[in-house]
Amino acid sequence: AQSVTQPDIHITVSEGASLELRCNYSYGATPYLFWYVQSPGQGLQLLLKYFSGDTLVQGIKGFEAEFKRSQSSFNLRKPSVHWSDAAEYFCAVGAHQAGTALIFGKGTTLSVSS
Amino acid sequence: DAMVIQNPRYQVTQFGKPVTLSCSQTLNHNVMYWYQQKSSQAPKLLFHYYDKDFNNEADTPDNFQSRRPNTSFCFLDIRSPGLGDAAMYLCATSRGQLAGQFFGPGTRLTVL
Repeated sequence: AQSVTQPDIHITVSEGASLELRCNYSYGATPYLFWYVQSPGQGLQLLLKYFSGDTLVQGIKGFEAEFKRSQSSFNLRKPSVHWSDAAEYFCAVGAHQAGTALIFGKGTTLSVSS
Repeated sequence: DAMVIQNPRYQVTQFGKPVTLSCSQTLNHNVMYWYQQKSSQAPKLLFHYYDKDFNNEADTPDNFQSRRPNTSFCFLDIRSPGLGDAAMYLCATSRGQLAGQFFGPGTRLTVL
């Protein structure tokens, strides 16, 4: 079955500390992986994506993610968290063809403490 | 700036009263999607248009319909909203899959 698991429902990080959000996937075909961020009452903003090539991908807002095929993981990282990073983060997996659904994880809520 | 626009941002309707949500895009993307996101849940795809071709997800209720009169616009019609249809409705677009899907800000639907 195709699925995305985000094991952490809620994470609290101190401002300036590093962050890692976990994502594991199960997908039958070659996975295309995405991280989205959603602020309260807002739509989803694409942070970064992985299709092929270098397994460490850089995204916007200082985020990066590393694809590890052997672990079926695509963890999101940021070296120094800012208060404005507080939001909900969704990992998603999709197929190569346009028009296929993105399968989302249930999301991880990030809180940033001062 | 190129973007995905959804109107209205907030919609209140009565139980059983038809409602239409609107999505427009200036990205010139050929694929448009409608997702439903209930509180504290992940978005779930309802259907999508690949150019003019409509594709319904197998478990999308018949109560939900969609129209795409041209490349830029797509509408979500809920024929008889129930209390369980209260959710955030997200429109997304893509050109192929490789660039990812770009989402609008969403319309939050309340059913009284």
